[in-house]
Amino acid sequence: EPEVTQTPSHQVTQMGQEVILRCVPISNHLYFYWYRQILGQKVEFLVSFYNNEISEKSEIFDDQFSVERPDGSNFTLKIRSTKLEDSAMYFCASSAGHNSNQPQHFGDGTRLSIL
Amino acid sequence: GNSVTQMEGPVTLSEEAFLTINCTYTATGYPSLFWYVQYPGEGLQLLLKATKADDKGSNKGFEATYRKETTSFHLEKGSVQVSDSAVYFCASTGGYNKLIFGAGTRLAVHP
Repeated sequence: EPEVTQTPSHQVTQMGQEVILRCVPISNHLYFYWYRQILGQKVEFLVSFYNNEISEKSEIFDDQFSVERPDGSNFTLKIRSTKLEDSAMYFCASSAGHNSNQPQHFGDGTRLSIL
Repeated sequence: GNSVTQMEGPVTLSEEAFLTINCTYTATGYPSLFWYVQYPGEGLQLLLKATKADDKGSNKGFEATYRKETTSFHLEKGSVQVSDSAVYFCASTGGYNKLIFGAGTRLAVHP
């Protein structure tokens, strides 16, 4: 069965540094998402992306965050200047459509640790 | 905005026990509802879904019924196995297509 793959599985970065989290969505999917889960807290929506544009973003997704689909297969989340509170598990998801009969499929996540 | 509340864990059961994990939602309109499961070291996997009132989602022996009158989507399984040990997340759609998750409930099943 096709999968969403995320790399790396664990990223350790110094505070203030830029970090790029990478995702390869399922190949025929058109909608892409990032979520994050701070340890012990809820999974929170960050951003959705369709047709090379952000469809929706949350309050968390401020100017420090950006997303990009640099080629036909990758979908990246960049954090420009990391803060301690960015430490979390980041999940990428993709879906074929935006109705509930085409649910979101999630990757295994990237654990981001900011020192 | 929409929100999802689910019972706190951990839930600890013996094998073959009956499982209920409660989930309630608040929403404007009529969201779709989901249960996702996260096994240790893995990502979120869709377990089941329901798209309208009175729909029942089912998969791998798990069931949940979309109850509009009580705004609930409780997860049930008649006989749990050790392999069901995981964290279970209730979620609803909100906005354009984002998912709104509950806090997650950890289930531990002992032999």
